Amino acid sequence: EVQLVESGGGLVQSGGSLRLSCGASGFSFSGYWMSWVRQAPGKGLEWVANINTDGSEKYYLDSVKGRLTISRDNAKNSLYLQLTSLRAEDTAVYYCARYNNYYMDVWGKGTTVTVSS
Amino acid sequence: QSVLTQPPSVSGAPGQRVTISCTGSSSNIGAGYGVHWYQQLPGTAPKLLIYDNNNRPSGVPDRFSGSKSGTSASLAITGLQAEDEADYYCQSSDSILTASVFGGGTKLTVL
Repeated sequence: EVQLVESGGGLVQSGGSLRLSCGASGFSFSGYWMSWVRQAPGKGLEWVANINTDGSEKYYLDSVKGRLTISRDNAKNSLYLQLTSLRAEDTAVYYCARYNNYYMDVWGKGTTVTVSS
Repeated sequence: QSVLTQPPSVSGAPGQRVTISCTGSSSNIGAGYGVHWYQQLPGTAPKLLIYDNNNRPSGVPDRFSGSKSGTSASLAITGLQAEDEADYYCQSSDSILTASVFGGGTKLTVL
């Protein structure tokens, strides 16, 4: 079964850091681009970042550039999102998704990040 | 303000047909990028519903269909059912932003 499982969310103070992880199974992880998408409470979906198959290309939402970093470890079938200098507006459910030909065809259940001031 | 514009809400009675629009610009939908649609049932993760304008992943009923014209796209749902009540999002790519972009989402209410 194709599956993505996020972890690492939690409560963090404004200005703090957090590292999210996403474990992939059931497909050849190293052959796919991957994405992070977030959803603030009561709001819509917001794309955050994409990474190519070997991690050499990364694309970010303008408002997170310099603060959030996407990375991957193909040997561990894992995707990561390092969040630093966190702000209240980063509070959201963060979803890991498989990015396949410009669309997200497999999604995880999400992990919640809450930034307190 | 989302790059792609959707109506905040639509509604319909069981059995009816509803459409949800998604309007973009010349740097995304109008540039030839595909439009994709996602369904998010209450309290769950999004699910791919339509990809590349009008293609359904395996398991998605043919009651759901998509179309694209110029800088806009539409999702149509026929034979509306209670379980279709959900939030629907369109998504495309943007050449200026070098990013994926979502619409603001449309809440479908089945009356």
